[in-house]
Amino acid sequence: GQNIDQPTEMTATEGAIVQINCTYQTSGFNGLFWYQQHAGEAPTFLSYNVLDGLEEKGRFSSFLSRSKGYSYLLLKELQMKDSASYLCAVETGGFKTIFGAGTRLFVKA
Amino acid sequence: DAGVIQSPRHEVTEMGQEVTLRCKPISGHDYLFWYRQTMMRGLELLIYFNNNVPIDDSGMPEDRFSAKMPNASFSTLKIQPSEPRDSAVYFCASSSSGLAVETQYFGPGTRLLVL
Repeated sequence: GQNIDQPTEMTATEGAIVQINCTYQTSGFNGLFWYQQHAGEAPTFLSYNVLDGLEEKGRFSSFLSRSKGYSYLLLKELQMKDSASYLCAVETGGFKTIFGAGTRLFVKA
Repeated sequence: DAGVIQSPRHEVTEMGQEVTLRCKPISGHDYLFWYRQTMMRGLELLIYFNNNVPIDDSGMPEDRFSAKMPNASFSTLKIQPSEPRDSAVYFCASSSSGLAVETQYFGPGTRLLVL
């Protein structure tokens, strides 16, 4: 079967660092995506990991461990505009992508 | 680039009626995806096409749902007859095998309410 688990909700303070975890069990694995989705809007691409390790892009970083079926998204210097849902997604093969239910992040002042 | 275009943006209909959702992918993209998003089930892949050919429709919930892609610039998702449990946001996304990263670009979605 296909299973992607993320926490349902997280709350963090403006200026702080937050880590959103994702574990997955899928029948195939080509790569792992993180998407951001603001309320009422479409998901937008944040990051993509194929190999183990950390990928850094500005305030956002994403980590992957294929052997553990584990990834995390790290957001630094949190801003109010970072309040959104963060979707972990696994490309299982041939462009087919399975999405997790998403983690709703609330950033408070 | 205009991005992925979907219409209508909002649809309210009564149970039993036919609903047709439309999508225009980004020009040059050879993959097109239809997703459904609800609070209970999250973002679910319904069907996807490559070069206008359906590749995987295992996510289509039942025979009431059908999707077509008659050409590279247009796709439809049809629900007939519609039921209240079909109420959701339906997203269309496109991608390209020519991209370095196989990112999917999502349209704004169609918010469907079946009464």
